[in-house]
Amino acid sequence: DGGITQSPKYLFRKEGQNVTLSCEQNLNHDAMYWYRQDPGQGLRLIYYSQIVNDFQKGDIAEGYSVSREKKESFPLTVTSAQKNPTAFYLCASSISGTWNQPQHFGDGTRLSIL
Amino acid sequence: GQQVMQIPQYQHVQEGEDFTTYCNSSTTLSNIQWYKQRPGGHPVFLIQLVKSGEVKKQKRLTFQFGEAKKNSSLHITATQTTDVGTYFCAVNSGGGADGLTFGKGTHLIIQP
Repeated sequence: DGGITQSPKYLFRKEGQNVTLSCEQNLNHDAMYWYRQDPGQGLRLIYYSQIVNDFQKGDIAEGYSVSREKKESFPLTVTSAQKNPTAFYLCASSISGTWNQPQHFGDGTRLSIL
Repeated sequence: GQQVMQIPQYQHVQEGEDFTTYCNSSTTLSNIQWYKQRPGGHPVFLIQLVKSGEVKKQKRLTFQFGEAKKNSSLHITATQTTDVGTYFCAVNSGGGADGLTFGKGTHLIIQP
């Protein structure tokens, strides 16, 4: 089946630790996105990539980093500089990077602080 | 930047009653998308509106885009328990503006 796979489903971070969230898609989509969702809130854009080997900061990029070395993969690293990382992280993809394409979401990763 | 307000934040209805959520922007929009997120799930794309005054229907769901392209609504007729979830609008202002800005969502709670 085509889709977006995020792993792990749950993740715990210790103080001062970097953690990496995985996102893989087999939809052959050019664009991929990372969002953060806090309880009762909408989605906020962290980073996006409209094409392989290129990515842009979203509204809340501080404390996060990404790479896009392969079309199907867009991992997100939550660094120790992100002081409030507890949230639900959603990865999405779309056919192209224009903002009028439907976005397809993975099941998300819940990150908590130990 | 793009800003969007979605109201109400919560809506309790009896099963069978109608439900409406509204999405309002201070700027003219290029397009608006609607998503549904079930409890514990991920957002799922429902529809996109791009034309002034556009109305689209999906079974019991009716989506409207305002004439000025600054607001939109989602109306559900005769709600069912399967409609439970949070409904989000997501907007883009066009003109090179980057990103979809999501509203905070309307949580639909249905009492049987």
